[in-house]
Amino acid sequence: DVKVTQSSRYLVKRTGEKVFLECVQDMDHENMFWYRQDPGLGLRLIYFSYDVKMKEKGDIPEGYSVSREKKERFSLILESASTNQTSMYLCASRTTGGAGYTFGSGTRLTIV
Amino acid sequence: RKEVEQDPGPFNVPEGATVAFNCTYSNSASQSFFWYRQDCRKEPKLLMSVYSSGNEDGRFTAQLNRASQYISLLIRDSKLSDSATYLCVVNSPGTGRRALTFGSGTRLQVQP
Repeated sequence: DVKVTQSSRYLVKRTGEKVFLECVQDMDHENMFWYRQDPGLGLRLIYFSYDVKMKEKGDIPEGYSVSREKKERFSLILESASTNQTSMYLCASRTTGGAGYTFGSGTRLTIV
Repeated sequence: RKEVEQDPGPFNVPEGATVAFNCTYSNSASQSFFWYRQDCRKEPKLLMSVYSSGNEDGRFTAQLNRASQYISLLIRDSKLSDSATYLCVVNSPGTGRRALTFGSGTRLQVQP
């Protein structure tokens, strides 16, 4: 089975901090994605990457950046954390033309 | 208008009942369609892909109506373990079809 691993299950950070969320997949998928999930709003795409060093903005990229230096790892960076970035963050990977995503177990991030 | 719209529910049904969910999507260029299941405080998991001719997987039947731009999921003989949120998902043509757009989900509660 494809495995997508997110480094932290729960995280609490302070306003203004730079926050790194890490995601690693073990099945050589080209495409990786970061979503956030909020009640009533569903999953919203922040950024995605279709190859090493390639990145594309999703629907809500403001306040975030990403890094993909290796195929298996996709990092989400909150440049200066704010309370409205408190959310569940979900990483996913997918092979091109594949049936769907495999998600990591999510990181529940709280900004205080 | 949201790209993918679902009735949030909850749908409360007794064990053994048949229940159906509908979902509409706004982008006629969407090509891939899925239903995901999400349990409380867990990541979404792929339930089934949806094909143009309709498809069945055990007690679950998915249908696609391209002309009206809606997707349906039918669950027969509901089990307690079917209680979850069901997410309607379509691919996002604006991302080169790499990324997926999620509905906010329909919550199902199966009662004994």
